Amino acid sequence: TQLLEQSPQFLSIQEGENLTVYCNSSSVFSSLQWYRQEPGEGPVLLVTVVTGGEVKKLKRLTFQFGDARKDSSLHITAAQPGDTGLYLCAGSWDKIIFGKGTRLHILP
Amino acid sequence: DSGVTQTPKHLITATGQRVTLRCSPRSGDLSVYWYQQSLDQGLQFLIQYYNGEERAKGNILERFSAQQFPDLHSELNLSSLELGDSALYFCASRGTSREKLFFGSGTQLSVL
Repeated sequence: TQLLEQSPQFLSIQEGENLTVYCNSSSVFSSLQWYRQEPGEGPVLLVTVVTGGEVKKLKRLTFQFGDARKDSSLHITAAQPGDTGLYLCAGSWDKIIFGKGTRLHILP
Repeated sequence: DSGVTQTPKHLITATGQRVTLRCSPRSGDLSVYWYQQSLDQGLQFLIQYYNGEERAKGNILERFSAQQFPDLHSELNLSSLELGDSALYFCASRGTSREKLFFGSGTQLSVL
């Protein structure tokens, strides 16, 4: 069974702080995606990483794919209340499987 | 707006009943995915269709079935409903990119 473990499950921090959330698996991914979901809406794709060791930046968000393509991290610099949401990682094999997500709350 | 349309947005029904959830993918997308989201299980893959044919199956119960029609819209049928089936059901479509999914806004199913 291919599983994606995300940590932490919940994170509540003050505006302006930095944070990192993680996505891990015992399986090798062909690619990994990060999505963000807000209440009442479906997940929206933030980024796709494909190559081991790849780093992608999206404004204050930095995504890293592990060298062995089994893990990934999302780092947010100077978090803002608008970053609040559920962050999901998804791995592509024959299906697209999601982790349970990190629920992030940024306090103003 | 993702371009994926799901109806209805909310559905309240009783145990033992049967419901049908509908999804219209983005224009031109051939793949449709169905997911179930609950607080404890997260986003669980149910089933995928490509151009009318079942392509992959996940943790879909035998009481559940789906199909994709020639016009590419899809329906998820849930029967003999149980309290535990209460969840958000999402449909997503995929275009030419192998990985990128576009999600609808979901159907919130409440089984009372």
